[in-house]
Order: sequence, then structure tokens, then C-alpha cells
Amino acid sequence: GESVGLHLPTLSVQEGDNSIINCAYSNSASDYFIWYKQESGKGPQFIIDIRSNMDKRQGQRVTVLLNKTVKHLSLQIAATQPGDSAVYFCAEKEVWNFNKFYFGSGTKLNVKP
Amino acid sequence: DAGVIQSPRHEVTEMGQEVTLRCKPISGHDYLFWYRQTMMRGLELLIYFNNNVPIDDSGMPEDRFSAKMPNASFSTLKIQPSEPRDSAVYFCASSLKSEQYFGPGTRLTVT
Repeated sequence: GESVGLHLPTLSVQEGDNSIINCAYSNSASDYFIWYKQESGKGPQFIIDIRSNMDKRQGQRVTVLLNKTVKHLSLQIAATQPGDSAVYFCAEKEVWNFNKFYFGSGTKLNVKP
Repeated sequence: DAGVIQSPRHEVTEMGQEVTLRCKPISGHDYLFWYRQTMMRGLELLIYFNNNVPIDDSGMPEDRFSAKMPNASFSTLKIQPSEPRDSAVYFCASSLKSEQYFGPGTRLTVT
């Protein structure tokens, strides 16, 4: 499959600050993207998704931005909390694949108290 | 709902032995996925099923790996014979639409 990569393998932020996690994808045929959070010893957990006909989507304390021109995805976490410490993955799906996702390598977020 | 259930949570076995990993998807979900996660390769899709039928097994690394889904509430991933390079965390996930719900994973160590 196409590669989905992350620029920063580890990100350290101070509690209360905003976090931005980035993801680059290479498949222009991808039409759907998801951010997952994986805590230590657990499986990935859905955070937020976005379709290719959108450039921004907001959830509770999280915002995903999609720039299709440069094939870039970002996850913004507002007022980062210690409970946000985890590995974050972006995943992409090709338009003709209903449910087959390709996952990025992950970024570890460390929240310092 | 209890979520996706996987067993065992940890498995340690010797090279050459057969390993069977088990998964119970969320009731009502019609897609089931098996993933492998390693530090080197990240999260890789091995195979997925729709309505108990294998749809795409292109991620299965070798013939040593096989997966079955005899009914809507149970799936197995079997490795025979196992090798040290199979050591990884294996996740099962299920979905009804696009959002996949992951199980807690099985940590496999092959010595």
C-alpha cells in the first residue's frame, strides 16, 4: 500500500499547552482519514475522522486539518492533559477500498506536568 | 458491550510450535480485521473479513499464517510453525462502518 508517515516520532509538551501532531500521506486516491490514540498496553482508539471533501473537523478538544494539496494531515489537541500521553496514528483509506486502512508509524506524545 | 475480546493476552512459545490467537468481535459488526504491530514495521493489516468471508489477505506474510472466521462471533489467526520474527502484538478489530474498534491485543513472544 501507499506509505503514511509522520514527521515527528516524539513530541513533548507542557500540560495546558496545545499539541500539534503531523502526518504526511502519499496516496492522492485516499478519501478518508482517521486519527487513533494508543495508550500503553492497549489497542488503538478512534479519536476523530475527516473526509477528503473537508479541510477541517472539530471534536472535543481536538481538531483535524487536511491539506490535500500537499497531502498533509494534522491533529491539534487543545489544553493538553497528562491523559493525552499516548502514541497517535493517522490512517488513510483509498476511495475504492471500503474498509482497508493504512496506518502511519505513529508519534509519541509526552505531556509534562 | 464488552468490546472486541482477544485471547490470550500474552503468549510465549518456542520456535516451531503452533500458535492460535482468538478474537470475538463486537456483536453486529460485519467486518473483522487482524493486524500485527511491531516497532520496526508499525501497524500492519494482515487480513480482513466481511460477513465471515475473507476479502483481502494480501498482508498475510507467509503460508505459515492462516485465518478463519467460522461464524460472526469468532475468528482465529494461526501461525504454524512459529518463528522468532513473528514476535509482535497482534490486534483484532471489528467495524460496522468505517470506524474500527480494536481489541486489547495479544502479545506473542516466540523464543
